[in-house]
Amino acid sequence: GENVEQHPSTLSVQEGDSAVIKCTYSDSASNYFPWYKQELGKRPQLIIDIRSNVGEKKDQRIAVTLNKTAKHFSLHITETQPEDSAVYFCAASETSGTYKYIFGTGTRLKVLA
Amino acid sequence: KAGVTQTPRYLIKTRGQQVTLSCSPISGHRSVSWYQQTPGQGLQFLFEYFSETQRNKGNFPGRFSGRQFSNSRSEMNVSTLELGDSALYLCASSLTPQETQYFGPGTRLLVL
Repeated sequence: GENVEQHPSTLSVQEGDSAVIKCTYSDSASNYFPWYKQELGKRPQLIIDIRSNVGEKKDQRIAVTLNKTAKHFSLHITETQPEDSAVYFCAASETSGTYKYIFGTGTRLKVLA
Repeated sequence: KAGVTQTPRYLIKTRGQQVTLSCSPISGHRSVSWYQQTPGQGLQFLFEYFSETQRNKGNFPGRFSGRQFSNSRSEMNVSTLELGDSALYLCASSLTPQETQYFGPGTRLLVL
């Protein structure tokens, strides 16, 4: 069945450094890849997304890259700040059939001040 | 616009009981998906509704069921509760199944 692997499960970085989280998906029909940030006790919030017709998308300090051939996509956070500390989830979805989201298992990011 | 709302926010039940959770989507959104979130398993897909029809179902036993009403509000029901059903239940809404999903705050269920 469909599967999304996410690595690493935990990541600690010094404030100001960059953080990279990687996801690999199994369903080659997947064409939509959102990233969600979930702070402790709060709901997952969409932070950035990318569709399969684009290789990279950037929004201020956050960027996502997609390699469809290798079936993996990555989240890049630059100049990390303490408020970036949260759990990040990637997801893959196929938007012309089943549409359902398959989520990765999450990455707990800690930004050390 | 108001975001996705879920009621109740917290619930304590005992084994064998049943529970009904409610989700009100963002105004105009017609698709609602439900997820179970546990520390060890992450976000597991339960089911998805669009225009009152269940379009997708995840790998959960038949004790888990749901429905969607004509105003797009959705409910999920869990019968014969087990200890392992303790989790955060999240719903997410989108304009249509193809569009981005936005999450509610979740209902935290504790089964004793």
